Amino acid sequence: GESVGLHLPTLSVQEGDNSIINCAYSNSASDYFIWYKQESGKGPQFIIDIRSNMDKRQGQRVTVLLNKTVKHLSLQIAATQPGDSAVYFCAETGNQFYFGTGTSLTVIP
Amino acid sequence: GAVVSQHPSRVICKSGTSVKIECRSLDFQATTMFWYRQFPKKSLMLMATSNEGSKATYEQGVEKDKFLINHASLTLSTLTVTSAHPEDSSFYICSASSGSHNEQFFGPGTRLTVL
Repeated sequence: GESVGLHLPTLSVQEGDNSIINCAYSNSASDYFIWYKQESGKGPQFIIDIRSNMDKRQGQRVTVLLNKTVKHLSLQIAATQPGDSAVYFCAETGNQFYFGTGTSLTVIP
Repeated sequence: GAVVSQHPSRVICKSGTSVKIECRSLDFQATTMFWYRQFPKKSLMLMATSNEGSKATYEQGVEKDKFLINHASLTLSTLTVTSAHPEDSSFYICSASSGSHNEQFFGPGTRLTVL
């Protein structure tokens, strides 16, 4: 059968480098944003979230930045490791939940 | 965090048979459950949204008679792929939301292969 769905943008980084994955969102009313990580053959897993009253939130090796002016969200991964290779999705929610297309991250040893 | 399970994780069936996939929220009540389909190296595609006790809302292009969804309780939703054909082979993922800020918790997915 014909495959459907959007092709995933790809990002390749060297192990140890920092990774930045970007996401543009569309709904000005969205007030909560989530990044998910999906490894091959698995369901998406929550990584980090941020509410619209914040510009930045840090987790363990990950940082999410929110720019509401231009409706842009980014995920920064510090010292990227091979285990970080996965597809990363952003999601925005307010009164609706919208899923981003996703970015496929490949870490080169 | 909230846990969502899916069963089975993998299923192989003959063309023409029907397959049921279960999605359960293990430690919270899911007022809304979502079913997604994903092809290799492609994005998640929302198939339908279901609220407990009511009919599912299907996305455009998804055949409701082909993909039967039942959300009988606040912890269980099922997706039945009826008269499966090879083109139905895909990775099916469910998610559940308790309604609290609409965050979705995802299941581990079910790999369906139709021979």
